Amino acid sequence: AQSVTQLGSHVSVSEGALVLLRCNYSSSVPPYLFWYVQYPNQGLQLLLKYTTGATLVKGINGFEAEFKKSETSFHLTKPSAHMSDAAEYFCAVMKGNTGFQKLVFGTGTRLLVSP
Amino acid sequence: SQTIHQWPATLVQPVGSPLSLECTVEGTSNPNLYWYRQAAGRGLQLLFYSVGIGQISSEVPQNLSASRPQDRQFILSSKKLLLSDSGFYLCAWSVRDRDYSPLHFGNGTRLTVT
Repeated sequence: AQSVTQLGSHVSVSEGALVLLRCNYSSSVPPYLFWYVQYPNQGLQLLLKYTTGATLVKGINGFEAEFKKSETSFHLTKPSAHMSDAAEYFCAVMKGNTGFQKLVFGTGTRLLVSP
Repeated sequence: SQTIHQWPATLVQPVGSPLSLECTVEGTSNPNLYWYRQAAGRGLQLLFYSVGIGQISSEVPQNLSASRPQDRQFILSSKKLLLSDSGFYLCAWSVRDRDYSPLHFGNGTRLTVT
């Protein structure tokens, strides 16, 4: 079954430091992977997605993620954290076939950014 | 451009009362529609999805039901709320029949059952 695991329910960084949020997937077929961000009391916003092609995917707000098949990982990174990056981040894998597909989410990682 | 609207934003309801949450999508046709629930410490759980008018599939047995009376309208309902129905409810849509179409979420409804 396709699933994702996010390591670390909370990650704390200082402003200007590297952000690294970890996601590992489990899939018997090529996975289609997504990262979403959720600000307090808001819905989820798509950061980036990996379907096929280039394994390094660039998203919005300076985030990027690299698909590594050998490590079954899709970690999210940003070179320099801003205070506005403080939010909860969800990794997700898509399940299903053309016609209907759904997202299965990890449990989320809350990013805390200190001045 | 496409937009998705959910209302109300917050709701406090007593146990045993009915529930109706509404979601509408604009700027697209024939979308797939979804209801997710986000409960504290439990991540995001898919409750219902729909691929067309009147076509509803349930992911988990529960006290809730969903309906799709129009192509771009999705309603989440309950006849009698339970305390365990408290949570943050998110509606989402995706493009039908397009591989790997991402889901686009509304701003959610926070439901507190007292």
